[in-house]
Amino acid sequence: EVQLVQSGAEVKKPGESLKISCEGSGYSFTTHWIGWVRQMPGKGLEWMGIIYPGDSDTRYSPSFQGHVTISADKSFRTASLEWSSLKASDTAMYYCARQVATGHGNFDYWGQGTLVTVSS
Amino acid sequence: EIVMTQSPATLSVSPGERATLSCRASQSVGSDLAWYQQKPGQAPRLLMYGASTRATGIPARFSGSGSGTEFTLTISSLQSEDFAVYYCQQCGNWPRTFGQGTKLEIK
Repeated sequence: EVQLVQSGAEVKKPGESLKISCEGSGYSFTTHWIGWVRQMPGKGLEWMGIIYPGDSDTRYSPSFQGHVTISADKSFRTASLEWSSLKASDTAMYYCARQVATGHGNFDYWGQGTLVTVSS
Repeated sequence: EIVMTQSPATLSVSPGERATLSCRASQSVGSDLAWYQQKPGQAPRLLMYGASTRATGIPARFSGSGSGTEFTLTISSLQSEDFAVYYCQQCGNWPRTFGQGTKLEIK
């Protein structure tokens, strides 16, 4: 069974750093892109970026380039999303999702989400 | 970046009736278009991919059509569990982009 399990909810202060994770199981981790999607409170889905764990090829949305870092550790079957200095506007639910290996490039499996709250 | 525009923002339909949701791309995406359903407090779920192929376990009352820049998701006879928010996503170009969503609510 394919599963993406994300790390737990976080409460941070502005200016702090944070790294959240997404562990994949039940499939070949290195042959599927893993993407990150932001959902701010009461808002829609925003595609942030994506990484190919096999070679760490990474693509970012221009809206998020330079604000976050996406990485992957294939030894631990884990993708990560990292901030060096959080802002209140980073408060959101963050989902990881697996992109299909071939075909039309859609996500087929999603993590349960990690809620990040940034408040002083 | 390809901009995806969904309409309407909110659609009010009675159970048993048909719902038609639209998604437009700012440039052609071929058939690289997916639809997702999201219910409150849940992660999104894949409904359709390749514009018209139902994902595993998706009932036949859901159908998708279109290519290029114009796409439609149709739910033929709404069930109570279908009231949710629906998002389209273009999957053929970087960055992948989502539409802003259509909220399907009970009339």
